[in-house]
Amino acid sequence: DIQMTQSPPSLSASLGDKVTITCQASQNINKYIAWYQQKPGKAPRLLIRYTSTLESGTPSRFSGSGSGRDYSFSISNVESEDIASYYCLQYVNLYTFGAGTKLELK
Amino acid sequence: QVTLKESGPGILQPSQALSLTCTFSGFSLSTYGMRVSWIRQPSGKGLEWLATIDWDDDKYYNPSLKSRLTVSKDTSNNQAFLKITSMDSADTATYYCAWTSRAPFAYWGQGTLVTVSS
Repeated sequence: DIQMTQSPPSLSASLGDKVTITCQASQNINKYIAWYQQKPGKAPRLLIRYTSTLESGTPSRFSGSGSGRDYSFSISNVESEDIASYYCLQYVNLYTFGAGTKLELK
Repeated sequence: QVTLKESGPGILQPSQALSLTCTFSGFSLSTYGMRVSWIRQPSGKGLEWLATIDWDDDKYYNPSLKSRLTVSKDTSNNQAFLKITSMDSADTATYYCAWTSRAPFAYWGQGTLVTVSS
């Protein structure tokens, strides 16, 4: 089984800040990582697939990078609508989510 | 436009089996490359992948729950199903179905809350 270690569990940011979330896989996942945004009471929304490919409708202030076991997800110029929880997902071998990161306003 | 909607019993007693239905539109689960997955989320906690069924009826299960899960489909009625046996309070969660084509879990249903309580 592939494990995904996501950090930090929570993040406090001011509007306009840049924030970064990381996920480390327990083995090489060959860039098969996706990132999701979830707002309270709503289903998750896919933002990025295959490390850095933005889904249609994902604002360009979102980005992803990484390789091997180590990956990151960033939001530049945080906006109020970005306040949510974020999850990584490996999909190279079955599926495993990271534990999530809750982004709050400072 | 892809849409999915989960339906279930809402509440059930410990040790009972849970049966969930995912009714979808905008794609056919008999088309090459399509798959439907089930994911759950206890209130205030993270996401857990449970099971996936492919267009060609291949099935994949979370190893930690595999003995309790059965996924199936009815392509003629655009539905997918999940059965979980021996439900316990720890299985109380919102259960989602999601569609995968090129991208994993690209579209999600709204979720259905399942509460296990005596």
